[in-house]
Order: sequence, then C-alpha cells, then structure tokens
Amino acid sequence: EVQLVESGGGLVQPGGSLRLSCAASGFTFSAYSMNWVRQAPGKGLEWISHISSSSRSIYFADSVKGRFTISRDNAKNSLFLQLNSLRDEDTAVYYCTTGKVGGTLDYWGQGTLVTVSS
Amino acid sequence: QSVLTQPPSVSAAPGQKATISCSGSSSNIGNNFVSWYQQLPGTAPKLLIYDNTKRPSGIPDRFSGSKSGTSTTLGITGLQTGDEADYYCGTWDNSLSAWVFGGGTKLTVL
Repeated sequence: EVQLVESGGGLVQPGGSLRLSCAASGFTFSAYSMNWVRQAPGKGLEWISHISSSSRSIYFADSVKGRFTISRDNAKNSLFLQLNSLRDEDTAVYYCTTGKVGGTLDYWGQGTLVTVSS
Repeated sequence: QSVLTQPPSVSAAPGQKATISCSGSSSNIGNNFVSWYQQLPGTAPKLLIYDNTKRPSGIPDRFSGSKSGTSTTLGITGLQTGDEADYYCGTWDNSLSAWVFGGGTKLTVL
C-alpha cells in the first residue's frame, strides 16, 4: 500500500523558516517524480514544486520561487521542502504527491499544516 | 484566478446525474492529459480520473471523464449523498512549466 506521510508543519512567524518532510513507503520511491501541493484555509489547490526521480529536473510556482527549495533522499525514501522568508499567505496545508510532468498526481499524503502568524 | 475554469458549485438530486466542466487552453488541457480529484470534507484530495477518461482501481464506474479540445468534463451518475465533495481538475501547463488546477467545484446532493 502506498503511503505518504508529511511532517514538520507548525506555527512560524513571518520571515521565518520551516522544513517539511514526506516519508514514502509501499512503492519504489527512487523511480517516482514527486510534488508539493498546498491548500490555504477554505481555498483551492495550488501546486508548489516538482522534483524528478533523479533530482535532475526541478520546477517551482512563481509564488514561491526563490524562497522555497525542494530536495529528496532516495536512500531514505524521503522528500523535503525548505520554506524560507515565510509570509502570511503561505499559511496552508501542504501535501506531498507522486506525479511526473505531464502525468497524474496519483497519490497524496494527509498533509501538514503550516501557519505563518505573528 | 485559476488557470483552469470550473463552476464554483453544482447541485443535483440523489440518483440523478451531475456534470462538472473544466476549461483551459492549448498550453494545458489542449495538449496534456487531464486528471480529476475528489476532496471529501476534512480529507486530502484523492485521484478520481486520470489520462482524461481512466479510473483508478476502486473508483466506481459512476464516475467518468471526457475531453474535447481545451475542455474537459467530469460526470457522476447515480448520485449519492456520499458524493458531496469538492472536485478539482488538474493538468500540466507547458507554457508555465507548472501543474495547474481549476478553482474547484462544490457538489451538493440535495
């Protein structure tokens, strides 16, 4: 059974940093591209970032470019998102998902809540 | 504003059919596969339809997808109260080099 478990969310002040993790199991993690998608309270889905299986291709949404960094550790079946220079509008539930460019966001984790507030 | 356009809400009676539209452009829907996601209240999104028309294992055939040009439609027949959820269309956008979603459609079964 495919499982994606996010962690690392919490309350952080504007301008602060946070590192999210996603632990993957039940599939060959090293063969899959991965993504982060977020959802602000009461709002729709917003794709944030993509990383290919080898980390060779990386994409970011304009809203987070230059502030967020995506990485992965295939040996530890883990995906990461480093969030820097956080703003109020970054408050959201952050989901990790599988999915290649032009493909489908097949599997989703349960999400981790990031709250940016002073 | 979302890159893909969906109606904010759709409603239909139990047992009837509901359709949810999603329109885009040649840089996204027109040249890529579309998927649909169901988000039940308080839960994470779940894949409902992929590659425009295919259903993952475990998704009943009451759910169907179609695509024509730069538009796509999700159909749900035999509506049940358990189908009440938010539904999102999504695809890759070649011009933006980004995944894009519709704004979501809230389905009410009344």
